[in-house]
Amino acid sequence: DQQVKQNSPSLSVQEGRISILNCDYTNSMFDYFLWYKKYPAEGPTFLISISSIKDKNEDGRFTVFLNKSAKHLSLHIVPSQPGDSAVYFCAASARSSGSARQLTFGSGTQLTVLP
Amino acid sequence: DSGVTQTPKHLITATGQRVTLRCSPRSGDLSVYWYQQSLDQGLQFLIQYYNGEERAKGNILERFSAQQFPDLHSELNLSSLELGDSALYFCASSVGQGPYNEQFFGPGTRLTVL
Repeated sequence: DQQVKQNSPSLSVQEGRISILNCDYTNSMFDYFLWYKKYPAEGPTFLISISSIKDKNEDGRFTVFLNKSAKHLSLHIVPSQPGDSAVYFCAASARSSGSARQLTFGSGTQLTVLP
Repeated sequence: DSGVTQTPKHLITATGQRVTLRCSPRSGDLSVYWYQQSLDQGLQFLIQYYNGEERAKGNILERFSAQQFPDLHSELNLSSLELGDSALYFCASSVGQGPYNEQFFGPGTRLTVL
């Protein structure tokens, strides 16, 4: 049962254009969402996050949008650069008792930015 | 470089064997997390330790166990290995316990079970 789904395994975008990566979730208890970027032979690197009390969070070229009613979030990269080519993972965390939480990851989307 | 180190980088072993993966967290981080990434899958959370104590458990098989030592490094032990255990195993660390504390990932250990 995949609680976090990234339905597009790959995405190609021209340099300078917008990249939009999508993520859907099924668990209504998720209240914190993150995007990670992963280059080959490296571990994932935190990119940007959003709490469920917000619907948008922006950090430079990266913006994450959250639509709670649709259980959908997206990552926008504007403008896209060749160095953005990587696998992007969406992750989510649920409210639970205590302070320890676990992250549930999607399967990732390979973004290729073409020069 | 995230500051999280994992050894070994690669491990090739046979079915039925036992292996130990090692993780050293970033200096000052008290939480260690273990994840498994199988082919074309997302990262599956296995287990979390905070300052030597187990804090959260995911879909970790009974054949797998982990611990965090007083110097805060952690080991993931995989026993009675099966072909399906072949995967990338990532360790991450954070200062605190929850996801609001950014998790920093190591480069991973690639385990191949033949």
